[in-house]
Amino acid sequence: SQTIHQWPATLVQPVGSPLSLECTVEGTSNPNLYWYRQAAGRGLQLLFYSVGIGQISSEVPQNLSASRPQDRQFILSSKKLLLSDSGFYLCARRTGDNSPLHFGNGTRLTVT
Amino acid sequence: DAKTTQPTSMDCAEGRAANLPCNHSTISGNEYVYWYRQIHSQGPQYIIHGLKNNETNEMASLIITEDRKSSTLILPHATLRDTAVYYCIVRGSGAGSYQLTFGKGTKLSVIP
Repeated sequence: SQTIHQWPATLVQPVGSPLSLECTVEGTSNPNLYWYRQAAGRGLQLLFYSVGIGQISSEVPQNLSASRPQDRQFILSSKKLLLSDSGFYLCARRTGDNSPLHFGNGTRLTVT
Repeated sequence: DAKTTQPTSMDCAEGRAANLPCNHSTISGNEYVYWYRQIHSQGPQYIIHGLKNNETNEMASLIITEDRKSSTLILPHATLRDTAVYYCIVRGSGAGSYQLTFGKGTKLSVIP
């Protein structure tokens, strides 16, 4: 089966601290990978997507960045968190043009 | 990707069919309609997708109008566990399909 691992499940970080969220995918090669953010009571906002190793496209300018060091690994980072970075961060994968997105269980980030 | 419009919320009695509408009047010929749902504090779950023919799987049925400008997701016998936010999105194939945008969805409440 194809599985998406995200960790940690919850995270509380102070303003100005760095961030690193990791997503790994099992059971598929060369997936398209995505990072979404969901603020409280709102829909999903696409942050980054990647079609291959080292290839990152950014959808929203902000203080976050993404990297894909390996085929099945997608990392979301920040050097200095802002209060507005709080939210539910979701990693997703897609294996082909017309295949659906499949999501991980997410990381709930609270910046204090 | 074409924009979708969904009602903010709906109620459905347990055991009855839940019919969730989605308008996508600007859909283009190669764009698929996808449905997802999100139960509180979890990642979205893929339900079903289609291009122009009606589709059915173990979770739901998808009815797409002949002009493809709207669709309806049908949960044939709603249970309390179907209470969730349901998202309808449209997406094409090829390079432009990497950008997948979710709106605010429909909050479905299944009532005992």
